[in-house]
Amino acid sequence: SYVLTQPPSVSGAPGQTARITCGGSNIGIKSVHWYQQKPGQAPVLVVYDNSDRPSGIPERFSGSNSGNTATLTISRVEAGDEADYYCQVWDSSSDLYVFGTGTKVTVL
Amino acid sequence: QVQLVQSGAEVKKPGASVKVSCKASGYIFTGHYMHWVRQAPGQGLEWMGWINPHSDAPTYAQKFHDRVTMTRDTSISTAFMELSRLRSDDTAIYYCAGVVPALNGGYFQHWGQGTLVTVSS
Repeated sequence: SYVLTQPPSVSGAPGQTARITCGGSNIGIKSVHWYQQKPGQAPVLVVYDNSDRPSGIPERFSGSNSGNTATLTISRVEAGDEADYYCQVWDSSSDLYVFGTGTKVTVL
Repeated sequence: QVQLVQSGAEVKKPGASVKVSCKASGYIFTGHYMHWVRQAPGQGLEWMGWINPHSDAPTYAQKFHDRVTMTRDTSISTAFMELSRLRSDDTAIYYCAGVVPALNGGYFQHWGQGTLVTVSS
């Protein structure tokens, strides 16, 4: 089955840039989506189709995808960005949906 | 706006079954595929499967294929997920999530509030 690997944690001071990677075999040919989950809440879509943002999501959230790594970048990190972040793809060969292992973002 | 409202928390004994509902509003029910995702305490998101409300055809993750049943009732715009032969490690929050059909599989655009299922003797 297809596996997506994320770092367990990423941290940064307010105003800095946080980058969360999502590794998968040839992930660059897939569409990657990213979700933010705050404690006690349901996940929220923050980036879809590699780099698009749903309405209401700040421009500080951006995404890229190439080769074996997709990246979610949070620019000018704020305290309110503290959350768990998950990448997700659809594996067309098996028609299964896969989530990454999740990354906890801490704002120092 | 789109809303997915799930049924309330459940406490079940090992070996029992649980059925969680997810009522949709704000869109045409058959226009979104309904997925189910669970999250054990302190753990990540785990995809369980999905159902096409239009065709009533489900697809299940291999891990759950012999214990899960996903159905829908279009007359009340509601999807259901039933998990049988419950074990303690099935204790989790269960989410429904709507996906607009797309050639790339789509993404989880809308989420229910989650239903806590606790399995304990």
